[in-house]
Amino acid sequence: GENVEQHPSTLSVQEGDSAVIKCTYSDSASNYFPWYKQELGKRPQLIIDIRSNVGEKKDQRIAVTLNKTAKHFSLHITETQPEDSAVYFCAARNDYKLSFGAGTTVTVRA
Amino acid sequence: KAGVTQTPRYLIKTRGQQVTLSCSPISGHRSVSWYQQTPGQGLQFLFEYFSETQRNKGNFPGRFSGRQFSNSRSEMNVSTLELGDSALYLCASSLSPSNTRGNTGELFFGEGSRLTVL
Repeated sequence: GENVEQHPSTLSVQEGDSAVIKCTYSDSASNYFPWYKQELGKRPQLIIDIRSNVGEKKDQRIAVTLNKTAKHFSLHITETQPEDSAVYFCAARNDYKLSFGAGTTVTVRA
Repeated sequence: KAGVTQTPRYLIKTRGQQVTLSCSPISGHRSVSWYQQTPGQGLQFLFEYFSETQRNKGNFPGRFSGRQFSNSRSEMNVSTLELGDSALYLCASSLSPSNTRGNTGELFFGEGSRLTVL
């Protein structure tokens, strides 16, 4: 089955700095990699995703990169703001299911 | 369009009891997945239902079960509750199952049911 590892588990950044979260996956057949953001007490929500035929995708201050050869993908948040404070989950989907990483708690210091 | 609705939102049970949680997906969504969320463990996949059939199952003991009705609403049941079952149980709906080849559909999560086992 698929195994997704996510690092770091916690990340504290100064407002305006960048944040990077890294994930690795085990199943080379995985072809879809979404990122979900969960604010305190709220439901997880999709913030960006990338498919296996794309190496990079950007959406305003958020970008995701994928290295299929190394089986890892990363989330980059630039110019962090207080509202970026949340738990971020990466996930990988193969032909069977969507598997999530353990999550990264991001704290943006004002 | 209404989002994913889970009931109850909070509940407290004692060891040995059983619990049933309910999930109503977004209208038109036929796939429902269940996840257990605990601190440090992330989102652990329980099972997925589509058209009243279980399509996939995670690595949880048989005490965890579920079903889906013809209107796509889903329930999950946990019998003989243990202290370690205390968690947030999240339901997510999507248009089609995760194991549909080429499917990259977004999961829409509910607010969750927070279960505390004493």
